[in-house]
Amino acid sequence: AQSVTQLGSHVSVSEGALVLLRCNYSSSVPPYLFWYVQYPNQGLQLLLKYTSAATLVKGINGFEAEFKKSETSFHLTKPSAHMSDAAEYFCAVSSSGGSYIPTFGRGTSLIVHP
Amino acid sequence: NAGVMQNPRHLVRRRGQEARLRCSPMKGHSHVYWYRQLPEEGLKFMVYLQKENIIDESGMPKERFSAEFPKEGPSILRIQQVVRGDSAAYFCASSSVAGEETQYFGPGTRLLVL
Repeated sequence: AQSVTQLGSHVSVSEGALVLLRCNYSSSVPPYLFWYVQYPNQGLQLLLKYTSAATLVKGINGFEAEFKKSETSFHLTKPSAHMSDAAEYFCAVSSSGGSYIPTFGRGTSLIVHP
Repeated sequence: NAGVMQNPRHLVRRRGQEARLRCSPMKGHSHVYWYRQLPEEGLKFMVYLQKENIIDESGMPKERFSAEFPKEGPSILRIQQVVRGDSAAYFCASSSVAGEETQYFGPGTRLLVL
């Protein structure tokens, strides 16, 4: 069984500030972990993924995430927020034990203030 | 290389009518996944298909919902006798041959049941 918890349904930051979106997972087997971004009325776009290689994963648009097995976490960060980062962000977990069907978190809405 | 395509992007139906949602996977992808997204919630898995086969339909409601992925043409998600609770965004994702852990998402179909 696998699950994802995203802490905070809304995160508000000022433009230029650090972005930190939290994700904790549970999985009975080594996980694959993903962050997706969804802009209004659009589909999900893959930001980055962890698949058992380097624990620090760099993605698009300056985002990165660090896999911490001891904390079962995969938090998403960006050093400096931009107005265009305002969107919904979803963390997801899947595993190699089956059909790779991911389980998604409920999402975190990132609000960026000028 | 075209991405995952879904149509229609928006669909309005009255209670009791049928809704047909179409999904064309990325070129070279033979695995299709359907998800439903309700307001303020993450994506919920519905069904996983390969060409002419339903692999996993554990997330599909037992009644009124069906899915297919024929040898030729797009995958179809069919909802019969729609009710207001079916109003949601329905997303399709595709992946390449078995073992590919990354799914690529379409823009979604937003279904509104009046």
